[in-house]
Amino acid sequence: NAGVMQNPRHLVRRRGQEARLRCSPMKGHSHVYWYRQLPEEGLKFMVYLQKENIIDESGMPKERFSAEFPKEGPSILRIQQVVRGDSAAYFCASSPGPSGEKLFFGSGTQLSVL
Amino acid sequence: AQSVAQPEDQVNVAEGNPLTVKCTYSVSGNPYLFWYVQYPNRGLQFLLKYITGDNLVKGSYGFEAEFNKSQTSFHLKKPSALVSDSALYFCAVRDSSASKIIFGSGTRLSIRP
Repeated sequence: NAGVMQNPRHLVRRRGQEARLRCSPMKGHSHVYWYRQLPEEGLKFMVYLQKENIIDESGMPKERFSAEFPKEGPSILRIQQVVRGDSAAYFCASSPGPSGEKLFFGSGTQLSVL
Repeated sequence: AQSVAQPEDQVNVAEGNPLTVKCTYSVSGNPYLFWYVQYPNRGLQFLLKYITGDNLVKGSYGFEAEFNKSQTSFHLKKPSALVSDSALYFCAVRDSSASKIIFGSGTRLSIRP
């Protein structure tokens, strides 16, 4: 049973480009969370999704950021027109049920904006 | 609104000594509390959780945590530290009336031989 898979592991973008981060949850998990981690800082909640639904996006910037978790395929975190301040590690986590369950984390995507 | 605080950026302990990593929280409903550990260049790994029941929760790698409702704390403890315990530790909380899990800023635990 493969764990949570995130790709790419490292992503380099120039300012103004788009970044797409992918997350395949563990088999049987229908709940996905995205977090952002800046160097020497904690994890900042971004968005919580279930299949085809956004449950809580209170941590997502209002502009340029979007997330989806379609019926088929991975969850996608999309950042349009990236800026240097978007450089961070982005972690995805999944769980089989609501948030009382423990989360299983992927290894993260390190986004670097030049 | 829910929040969680880890007041110590770093904790230094000699191997074999007991360790404590502090965490306090604020929620409006009943808390669901978690501890996770992060090793360099890795995602977080679950250590233990408190939902209901016994205030002392035992988890992975010999760690335990005590839920204290009056002090709104959930400190992580281990009776005898190992060098391999050196890592970044995160406390997390979810309000029973909310959907998201939020994390503290993390505490770097350093165990010296």
